[in-house]
Amino acid sequence: DSGVTQTPKHLITATGQRVTLRCSPRSGDLSVYWYQQSLDQGLQFLIQYYNGEERAKGNILERFSAQQFPDLHSELNLSSLELGDSALYFCASGGGLYNEQFFGPGTRLTVL
Amino acid sequence: DQQVKQNSPSLSVQEGRISILNCDYTNSMFDYFLWYKKYPAEGPTFLISISSIKDKNEDGRFTVFLNKSAKHLSLHIVPSQPGDSAVYFCAASGGNDMRFGAGTRLTVKP
Repeated sequence: DSGVTQTPKHLITATGQRVTLRCSPRSGDLSVYWYQQSLDQGLQFLIQYYNGEERAKGNILERFSAQQFPDLHSELNLSSLELGDSALYFCASGGGLYNEQFFGPGTRLTVL
Repeated sequence: DQQVKQNSPSLSVQEGRISILNCDYTNSMFDYFLWYKKYPAEGPTFLISISSIKDKNEDGRFTVFLNKSAKHLSLHIVPSQPGDSAVYFCAASGGNDMRFGAGTRLTVKP
């Protein structure tokens, strides 16, 4: 158990819809990272938040947005969903000396 | 852009033998390199890391080698065990940027 929690575990929705994925970091971690893993693909970095502020941005689509709240939990919002958005979405926290990150179990999103 | 590449999507080795997983990177600004292991239906878990000022780091059966001039790192697992069967991701970080490779699926046969 990494200490990072993600909800929901599975999400099935239709094209054009909007969903919100939630992440709670490990106790004490200020950074939250979001990643997307599509079928047979590596982990694509989407965005990082640090103590409520956006710190770094990766390959995140304009249809996607995220935020980190004062209690440090984070939400990833995906809108106007397309079939290609079906993927595993991981949240991670940490960023210690070696930038080690601790990953949650992921949310599997299926867009039909 | 693929700044971190794992060119072997899969690797199969016999139990007790050495597993060597390779990773190449292109950005010379990366200064920390990490390996993560991922089992099905779980998030990746940190395995071992190495700073760019070192060329080797060892932790039990796992050793990571870094060749900065070649922009290449490798993970050696000796001896390999069936429980090591998983997908292994290498990652490179520099500043606020972290990039992952596509992963190598390791199968260790009993």
